[in-house]
Amino acid sequence: NAGVTQTPKFRVLKTGQSMTLLCAQDMNHEYMYWYRQDPGMGLRLIHYSVGEGTTAKGEVPDGYNVSRLKKQNFLLGLESAAPSQTSVYFCASSSRQAYSGNTIYFGEGSWLTVV
Amino acid sequence: DAKTTQPTSMDCAEGRAANLPCNHSTISGNEYVYWYRQIHSQGPQYIIHGLKNNETNEMASLIITEDRKSSTLILPHATLRDTAVYYCIVRVENSGGGADGLTFGKGTHLIIQP
Repeated sequence: NAGVTQTPKFRVLKTGQSMTLLCAQDMNHEYMYWYRQDPGMGLRLIHYSVGEGTTAKGEVPDGYNVSRLKKQNFLLGLESAAPSQTSVYFCASSSRQAYSGNTIYFGEGSWLTVV
Repeated sequence: DAKTTQPTSMDCAEGRAANLPCNHSTISGNEYVYWYRQIHSQGPQYIIHGLKNNETNEMASLIITEDRKSSTLILPHATLRDTAVYYCIVRVENSGGGADGLTFGKGTHLIIQP
């Protein structure tokens, strides 16, 4: 059972380059999320999705775009990378079923460095 | 969502019970208390959650005070692998939509000493 899988795990970008982080979950979850975590900080929500074809802004959405064309995938795009986007990115998913509460399952993280 | 207050760091001896406190004095009646932990360089991991009653699972116990203004996460027999940052989060349990994730603070860095 893979759970939540993120690719790539490590990437170095030059300022101004673009890239896409891919998140895939095999738990048939409706909700998916992208967080970022900077050193010594808690996680901050970038964007989230409550279902296929839907996306919404989180706490720190600027500089990022997302798409949810398939229920199992949630893509995070950086159109023009900046050094301030150097961070660890976590994807997560959860079920909308009431009995699950808000239990969220996280991927292992993607380390992005922008130089 | 109600705000939580946790100590920045705590130490515990290996084999002893680790008791992690959390204050949430502004918690609403329909807000649950969730605990997650993050071991270095890994994604956060769900531990336990509860509303009013004390809860126990294979990982930990959650004790919620009667007035619900504070709670304690208990790891009964701490091991070195329990060294991690522990996050206490309060949140309405929502279903059917509007699931905008959980808000993570800085948590408590629990260090298990050999």
